[in-house]
Amino acid sequence: DTEVTQTPKHLVMGMTNKKSLKCEQHMGHRAMYWYKQKAKKPPELMFVYSYEKLSINESVPSRFSPECPNSSLLNLHLHALQPEDSALYLCASSQVDMGLAAYNEQFFGPGTRLTVL
Amino acid sequence: SQQGEEDPQALSIQEGENATMNCSYKTSINNLQWYRQNSGRGLVHLILIRSNEREKHSGRLRVTLDTSKKSSSLLITASRAADTASYFCATYGGSQGNLIFGKGTKLSVKP
Repeated sequence: DTEVTQTPKHLVMGMTNKKSLKCEQHMGHRAMYWYKQKAKKPPELMFVYSYEKLSINESVPSRFSPECPNSSLLNLHLHALQPEDSALYLCASSQVDMGLAAYNEQFFGPGTRLTVL
Repeated sequence: SQQGEEDPQALSIQEGENATMNCSYKTSINNLQWYRQNSGRGLVHLILIRSNEREKHSGRLRVTLDTSKKSSSLLITASRAADTASYFCATYGGSQGNLIFGKGTKLSVKP
């Protein structure tokens, strides 16, 4: 199974809502990532988990809260978002070689299209 | 932060023609990767070239890397309408800890 799945595909939420994005992979990858992508822009890294531990947080606001319950699952909890947080949220995974996750190719999910009203 | 810079930003060609996209970067790298993204979808890894490699092929794709010029090119030969997508280069340098994506080239292949 070489697939990364993400749910939901689309999400519309108000600024007072709490919601979660989910990501799953069964390739045995020990690094998982959250990216945010605005229209016509490249993906921007938000978080990296390596061996289920948060290894990189790219100064993301606390209204985004990542969670890695196990080696196959990655969640992104959303609370009190702003309209400017509307974007495509991508999850990815990769192997970790020599302790370096980004040394390898990343496998991306199809993304969750988030709209904040 | 952004490391890679692709050019052109947009490229429109006819089916059967070759498409060349370039990527320049600023710091030393361990490897450089190319990804494709169909509109509004996830990215698909195309090819990875390490800093000690100069050229790599995969099917209709040919990637070159010139570390002295800090640049890479992606050539798609005999393009098809299905190649229509955005193409991103992404670099990994050991001190970064993560991939950094360039701005991307939007390729349109007309039937």
